[in-house]
Amino acid sequence: QVQLVQSGAEVKKPGSSVKVSCKAPGGTFSNYGISWVRQAPGQGLEWMGGFVPIFATPNYAQRFQGRVTMTADKSTSTAYMELSSLRFEDTAVYYCARERVTKTFDHWGQGTLVTVSS
Amino acid sequence: QSALTQPASVSGSPGQSITISCTGTSSDVGGYNYVSWYQQHPGKAPKLVIYDVSNRPSGLSNRFSGSKSGNTASLTISGLQAEDEADYYCSSYTSSNTRIFGGGTKLTVL
Repeated sequence: QVQLVQSGAEVKKPGSSVKVSCKAPGGTFSNYGISWVRQAPGQGLEWMGGFVPIFATPNYAQRFQGRVTMTADKSTSTAYMELSSLRFEDTAVYYCARERVTKTFDHWGQGTLVTVSS
Repeated sequence: QSALTQPASVSGSPGQSITISCTGTSSDVGGYNYVSWYQQHPGKAPKLVIYDVSNRPSGLSNRFSGSKSGNTASLTISGLQAEDEADYYCSSYTSSNTRIFGGGTKLTVL
C-alpha cells in the first residue's frame, strides 16, 4: 500500500510562512508527480500546484503564484510545500497527492492542518 | 478559473442508483479524458474512485462507474450502500496545464 506521510499540524501568525512536508515511498519521484491540494473548513478541494520532481519545474495555480514554493528532496523522497504571507483565510487542511501521468491523484497524504491565528 | 459545477447534494435509498454530474468547458472536461472522481468521508483524505473518465482503481467495487458527454462528466453509483454516504469531487486537467476540482456533492443514503 502506497503511503504518503505528512508533517504535523501547525499554528502560524498572519504574515508568517509555513512549510509542510510529504514523505513518499522510495522511487516515487521517478515515475510520478506530487500535487498539493488544500481544503478550508467546510469547503471543497482546491488544487494549489504540483510538479514532477525529476523535471524540477513546478506549476502553480494562478491564485498562489508568488506565495507558494514547491520543492522536493529526491534523496529522501520528500516533497515540500511552503506558503508565505499567511492570511486567516489560509487556515485549511493541506494534502499532498501522488499524481499519475494522466493527471490522476491516486494516493493522498493524511493531511496537515494549518491554522492561521493571531 | 471557477470550479467545475456539481450539484450540492444528491440522495438515494439503499439499493438505488444515483448519478452526480460535473460540468466544465471545452478547456477542461470536454477537452481531455483526464477526469477523475474522489470520495471523501468526514475527517478523511480523499480517495480515488474513478480515473480517466471511466476506469476503476483495482479492488474498487464495480458499483462505481464514470462517463462523459461533451463538457459534462458523470459518476454513477449503483446498489447504494450506507458506506457510500460521503462527499464526492470531480477533477479535470485543463488547457492551462493546471488541475481543477468541482465544488463537491454530498451524497446522503436515506
